[in-house]
Amino acid sequence: DGGITQSPKYLFRKEGQNVTLSCEQNLNHDAMYWYRQDPGQGLRLIYYSQIVNDFQKGDIAEGYSVSREKKESFPLTVTSAQKNPTAFYLCASSSAPGQGHYGYTFGSGTRLTVV
Amino acid sequence: AQTVTQSQPEMSVQEAETVTLSCTYDTSESDYYLFWYKQPPSRQMILVIRQEAYKQQNATENRFSVNFQKAAKSFSLKISDSQLGDAAMYFCAYRSTPQGGSEKLVFGKGTKLTVNP
Repeated sequence: DGGITQSPKYLFRKEGQNVTLSCEQNLNHDAMYWYRQDPGQGLRLIYYSQIVNDFQKGDIAEGYSVSREKKESFPLTVTSAQKNPTAFYLCASSSAPGQGHYGYTFGSGTRLTVV
Repeated sequence: AQTVTQSQPEMSVQEAETVTLSCTYDTSESDYYLFWYKQPPSRQMILVIRQEAYKQQNATENRFSVNFQKAAKSFSLKISDSQLGDAAMYFCAYRSTPQGGSEKLVFGKGTKLTVNP
């Protein structure tokens, strides 16, 4: 079955460490997105990519970095510059217009905690 | 820029009854897409229903239906025969067509729905 896989499900980071969250999709979607969700809050866009080797900053990109070397993969690195990284991170991908529902398909998320 | 407003941070409903969640949006575009997503305690985001603005007929998916009022820029979600499994955070979202320029979904802040047995 096609879908989006995020790993790991839970991740613990020490102060000053960089960590990378994985997001892989086999839906053949061009566009991929990373969102951050804090408790009781909505979704805030971190980065997005509409095509391989290209990505744009979202609303809260500071302290994060991404790459898009393959269509299937869009990893997110949380750097030590991100001062408050404890949150739930969601990855999503989107079909092109006329293909599928044109909404987002989401992964199951990664819960990142700073220890 | 488009905005999406969900004016009800929390709602509750008795099992088997009907509840309506409100959503309004602001746009100058004539063609666009609207969505409702459900986020249960597992935190997996699930697409509930989708509406294309050029379609006047309201979308329906089993117990879920929408009341789409284009002129009023309103997109409410009605859940009939509410079940305990409907308890979740519900997000309304807007997306332009590619001609509109934005490739991103714009989300509301969500409505937390509690279903009482």
